[in-house]
Amino acid sequence: QITLQESGPSVVKSTQTLTVTCTFSGFSLSTYAVGVTWIRQPPGKAPEWLGLIYWNGEEAYSPSLKSRLTITKDTSKNLVVLTLTNVEPEDTATYYCAHVVSDWFDPWGQGTLVTVSS
Amino acid sequence: SYVLTQPPSVSVAPGQTARIPCGGRNFGTKTVHWYQQKPGHAPVVVVHDDTVRPSGIPDRISGSKSESAATLTIDRVDAGDEADYYCQVWISTSEQTVVFGGGTRLTVL
Repeated sequence: QITLQESGPSVVKSTQTLTVTCTFSGFSLSTYAVGVTWIRQPPGKAPEWLGLIYWNGEEAYSPSLKSRLTITKDTSKNLVVLTLTNVEPEDTATYYCAHVVSDWFDPWGQGTLVTVSS
Repeated sequence: SYVLTQPPSVSVAPGQTARIPCGGRNFGTKTVHWYQQKPGHAPVVVVHDDTVRPSGIPDRISGSKSESAATLTIDRVDAGDEADYYCQVWISTSEQTVVFGGGTRLTVL
C-alpha cells in the first residue's frame, strides 16, 4: 500500500523560504519510472501543479513558479522536499505530494495547510 | 498556456445522471484524468486515461472524450457523490507541465 505524508510549517512570513517534506512508503524512488509530484490548492480554488521529481533525478517545474521552486529527493530516507523561495500571501495553500502513475497522480497525501503572513 | 474549462456547478436530483464536461483544445492528442474531492480530503482519481476506472470506483462512474471535450458521467447519483470534480491533462511540449480544470461542484438536490 502506497502512502504519502506532508509535513512543514503552518505559517511562514512573506519573503521567507517555505520547505515542505513528503515522507512516503510502499514504493522506492530508486525504482525505474517512479516519480513524486507536488500540487497545491489555495483555499476554495482548484489544484495547481508545482513540479515533480523522478527516480533518476529528472525534474520538471511549473513554468510560472520555476524560478522559485526546487524539488529534491533522499532515496535512502524515502522522502522528497519542496522548497519555495520568497513566498507571498498568494502562496497560501494546502500543499500535497502524490505518487506519479504515468501522467496521473495516485494516491495523494493528506496535505498540509501553509499560510503566508504579510 | 493550455486551459481546461469546467462549469463551476452541476446539480442533479438523486437517482438521475450527472454529466460534468471538461473543455480543451486538441483533446484527441491528450489523455484526460478525473479526480473527486470531498470537503477536507485530498483529491482521489475516479477515472484515468480518459475512460479507465481504478479498482474500487463504482461502475456508475464513467469517462468519455471527443476531440474538443471530455465528460465525466455519474449514473444513479446519490448524496455520497456530492463533491468537487477536477479534470487534468499532462502537456508534453518543450517543457512538461500539468494542467487542472477549474473544478465543478456537484450538488445532489
